[in-house]
Amino acid sequence: QVQLQESGPGLVKPSQTLSLTCTVSGGSISSGNYFWSWIRQPAGKGLEWIGRIYTSGSTNYNPTLKSRVTISVDTSKNQFSLKLSSVTAADTAVYYCAREGLVAGDGMDVWGQGTTVTVSS
Amino acid sequence: EIVLTQSPATLSLSPGERATLSCRASQSVSSYLAWYQQKPGQAPRLLMYDASNRATGIPARFSGSGSGTDFTLTISSLEPEDFAVYYCQQRSNWPPYTFGQGTKLEIK
Repeated sequence: QVQLQESGPGLVKPSQTLSLTCTVSGGSISSGNYFWSWIRQPAGKGLEWIGRIYTSGSTNYNPTLKSRVTISVDTSKNQFSLKLSSVTAADTAVYYCAREGLVAGDGMDVWGQGTTVTVSS
Repeated sequence: EIVLTQSPATLSLSPGERATLSCRASQSVSSYLAWYQQKPGQAPRLLMYDASNRATGIPARFSGSGSGTDFTLTISSLEPEDFAVYYCQQRSNWPPYTFGQGTKLEIK
């Protein structure tokens, strides 16, 4: 079955860019049947949807983060990536990648295990 | 942005009891609502999609209902593994696809 795995630095300095990659295994990111999404969760708090990408490269972002977020896809590597610029301590969180259905009523049915990113000097 | 309000914040019940969790949207989301379960140190797991459809592998004791602005997740008879935090999420017309703040289901 499809599995997702996040990777990237666990520590990022303030004002720098956070970069994470999600590797998809057990299925093709190019299948065209899903969106590929990023979600984050500060310690002890709720979930925040960051944005998503379709195989074509089309993206949607959370308006509160839109000016700082870039999500890209590399179909040759079966990966998609998140870049968040100008980070502050408020961006410290567990970051998850997930697969999201195309239909509005669908949910996020496959999640990575999550990776903790701390913003600190 | 559509705001989802979950209640109660914490629900204390015993195994075998029935749990009823609520999610209210600030405006209609039609049936475009999903429920997730999250245990400590784990990623969320999809329970319900399109308000009332169980995701693959989810036991029949979980059920969802509602449309428009009011939604309910019901667990008919609690098992020990059901004690966790539950989130609702809306996927109405346009991003951001917001989550509720969560309901913690704890053992009484």
